[in-house]
Amino acid sequence: GAVVSQHPSWVICKSGTSVKIECRSLDFQATTMFWYRQFPKQSLMLMATSNEGSKATYEQGVEKDKFLINHASLTLSTLTVTSAHPEDSSFYICSASRLAGQETQYFGPGTRLLVL
Amino acid sequence: DQQVKQNSPSLSVQEGRISILNCDYTNSMFDYFLWYKKYPAEGPTFLISISSIKDKNEDGRFTVFLNKSAKHLSLHIVPSQPGDSAVYFCAADNQGGKLIFGQGTELSVKP
Repeated sequence: GAVVSQHPSWVICKSGTSVKIECRSLDFQATTMFWYRQFPKQSLMLMATSNEGSKATYEQGVEKDKFLINHASLTLSTLTVTSAHPEDSSFYICSASRLAGQETQYFGPGTRLLVL
Repeated sequence: DQQVKQNSPSLSVQEGRISILNCDYTNSMFDYFLWYKKYPAEGPTFLISISSIKDKNEDGRFTVFLNKSAKHLSLHIVPSQPGDSAVYFCAADNQGGKLIFGQGTELSVKP
């Protein structure tokens, strides 16, 4: 199978702190990883696309200095929410695909972030 | 600008009957479509996909139909089972692996 893990599964932090979320492809090498955000009862919104060894491509309206993405290896991408505020509270989901293009994306279980 | 729309936020079906989930899109450049199933507080799970060169793709109880002229696709689940109860998202690939998701339809299959 194609398994993607995320860590942590949930996190509560104080306003102003930074939070790092890890996304790992466990049994395959992911050329591309994607980061999504989902608000309750809403769709998954793509935040950014990351390719191993290169800078992430951010979607319009997503602050790259706020949401730092690092794709250090073919099995690991990290999303750091810097100086988190309550409005950053959301469900963050990553996905990974083996190839660029129309390859099925395999999603992680998501990380619930609550900023107090 | 919602390029992928699922206009029914919820659907309730009796066990054993057919579930039909609908999805509309606006961008004719989309050439690959996927359906995902999602449980609360979990990531989406891939169900089935279809390329724009086809109009139907079947996998077990799941069939996806694509009507390019109407920019419409649907997911049929037959027979529906209580374990199918979840939120179903359709997604379109905008040529490059980026997925644009619909708002989701919550399916409830009652025994």
